[in-house]
Amino acid sequence: DTGVSQNPRHKITKRGQNVTFRCDPISEHNRLYWYRQTLGQGPEFLTYFQNEAQLEKSRLLSDRFSAERPKGSFSTLEIQRTEQGDSAMYLCASSLGALREQYFGPGTRLTVT
Amino acid sequence: SQELEHSPQSLIVQEGKNLTINCTSSKTLYGLYWYKQKYGEGLIFLMMLQKGGEEKSHEKITAKLDEKKQQSSLHITASQPSHAGIYLCGAGLLTGANNLFFGTGTRLTVIP
Repeated sequence: DTGVSQNPRHKITKRGQNVTFRCDPISEHNRLYWYRQTLGQGPEFLTYFQNEAQLEKSRLLSDRFSAERPKGSFSTLEIQRTEQGDSAMYLCASSLGALREQYFGPGTRLTVT
Repeated sequence: SQELEHSPQSLIVQEGKNLTINCTSSKTLYGLYWYKQKYGEGLIFLMMLQKGGEEKSHEKITAKLDEKKQQSSLHITASQPSHAGIYLCGAGLLTGANNLFFGTGTRLTVIP
């Protein structure tokens, strides 16, 4: 399978704990995006990378959120001190470049109790 | 995103019927992308439109972008239960922007 993969698929954590998600993009794609989707809503942009450089961050990305793409391949999204409002589906997408179609992974569903 | 509106918000059709759903923006669309999503899963890319008046087809699905690049329609011919899901349009709303804005989608149910 050469699509975008995300791990874990589901994560249940207690409020205040830290969580980390991983995204493996399509191998030749240099752009990688993170989105968040809550129930009944469309995805909302969080941040994107071109290769290893994080070039844009949404104001939705509070100080508790950090994303990395250390070698320009896979990316991680960490949420520190989780809050119940962080419960959502976290989606990763990748593309070959600007204004190209973005291919999405299956998402990581986070539940904060 | 409040910038993109889907209509209708939900649609129930009998298998074999044709249907059209729309995505409307108050701003110029810099790239319009149609996706399909099953509940609890990721988005599946369907088609991308960039030029005003552009039309693309894949299997039984046809998407169009109007000349003013502020509205797109998605037409499904002879619907099947496999077409059921949530159809989302995503768009660049700022020239040079790298992220997509999404509407809340149209939920399609196809009754066998």
